[in-house]
Amino acid sequence: GAVVSQHPSWVICKSGTSVKIECRSLDFQATTMFWYRQFPKQSLMLMATSNEGSKATYEQGVEKDKFLINHASLTLSTLTVTSAHPEDSSFYICSAQRPQEEGYTFGSGTRLTVV
Amino acid sequence: DAKTTQPPSMDCAEGRAANLPCNHSTISGNEYVYWYRQIHSQGPQYIIHGLKNNETNEMASLIITEDRKSSTLILPHATLRDTAVYYCIVRVAGGNQGGKLIFGQGTELSVKP
Repeated sequence: GAVVSQHPSWVICKSGTSVKIECRSLDFQATTMFWYRQFPKQSLMLMATSNEGSKATYEQGVEKDKFLINHASLTLSTLTVTSAHPEDSSFYICSAQRPQEEGYTFGSGTRLTVV
Repeated sequence: DAKTTQPPSMDCAEGRAANLPCNHSTISGNEYVYWYRQIHSQGPQYIIHGLKNNETNEMASLIITEDRKSSTLILPHATLRDTAVYYCIVRVAGGNQGGKLIFGQGTELSVKP
């Protein structure tokens, strides 16, 4: 079945530094990937839609200059949290739509802790 | 995409059927009903989806009312590993259109021994 690999699974970084999270579709090509953020005890919140070869589309209230998204190939999208602060600590999850199918496959998530 | 309403939590005895309801009274004719679940600290897992006919796969059954305003996800023999948050989502289908999945609050299902 379709697999989406997300790396790293967890990361701790210092306040003010940047962190890059990778999302790869391992056995299919994904022209569209999605990035979500989830705080404890809350649901997933869509941050942005990542389109291969074009600029990402951000949801209202999400700072595009802080959360940089790059979708340079059909199998890889990256999310960079720039100048991270403790309030950016969260669970970040990516997903990709399987071609010619209706379902979406999700990565296993990245736990970011900013200290 | 239409909004969904689910009970915040439910309990189920191990081995019994778990019936998770979802209301989507504003669903449009071209919107599918999707169900995902999220086990703690993992990414969501696809369960099943349907348009208007009842659907069944190896994981669950989906029963959609005739007016499509509500649906029920049925886990026929719940196990402890089915303890998770279950999300009901409606969205327009469309192959490569890349429509967004917007998550509501979901139902936290606790399967008890």
